[in-house]
Amino acid sequence: TQLLEQSPQFLSIQEGENLTVYCNSSSVFSSLQWYRQEPGEGPVLLVTVVTGGEVKKLKRLTFQFGDARKDSSLHITAAQPGDTGLYLCLRAGKSTFGDGTTLTVKP
Amino acid sequence: DTEVTQTPKHLVMGMTNKKSLKCEQHMGHRAMYWYKQKAKKPPELMFVYSYEKLSINESVPSRFSPECPNSSLLNLHLHALQPEDSALYLCASSQNGAPNTGELFFGEGSRLTVL
Repeated sequence: TQLLEQSPQFLSIQEGENLTVYCNSSSVFSSLQWYRQEPGEGPVLLVTVVTGGEVKKLKRLTFQFGDARKDSSLHITAAQPGDTGLYLCLRAGKSTFGDGTTLTVKP
Repeated sequence: DTEVTQTPKHLVMGMTNKKSLKCEQHMGHRAMYWYKQKAKKPPELMFVYSYEKLSINESVPSRFSPECPNSSLLNLHLHALQPEDSALYLCASSQNGAPNTGELFFGEGSRLTVL
């Protein structure tokens, strides 16, 4: 059973557009990690969110952790082709990733 | 050194072959992981070693046999695989011995093709 649901599963947009990716669970988790996997490489950690309601920014990426700590979102502003990749969420204490969102940003 | 190194990068094997995938890290991490990843899918956890002992086996078929010779090395021995086992095999490590209580550091993976 997949504990983390990500949406959308696939997303193809033009350079410069904004987008949001979601990671949802039916249970509360203490913290959540977001990873990005570029083609031909292993996943790399982007951020860890810990506190309910927390917002973290990483250049054009904004991460939010829901107040109830059951959901998280990743917003990318003015997407660039270099943002292309598989975005994965992972809850603390578990080693099972969410479904993943495959993002393609076209120049 | 913040790298996880996996060898070989590519491996083609027949269903009767025996081969091994290797993973090495020199960050002093105490947990090491094997994941299997199919195209456009998330990595699926296979095994976790914590302090060189197998702590998690996600009901993986016995044709996959993990081994952790020491705290820096992790092997995955392959025998009598099926074509559906073709995938990218990712190794990861984390600092804390308790599985996934910190950042996972991944290697680039070994691309396995079973003919």
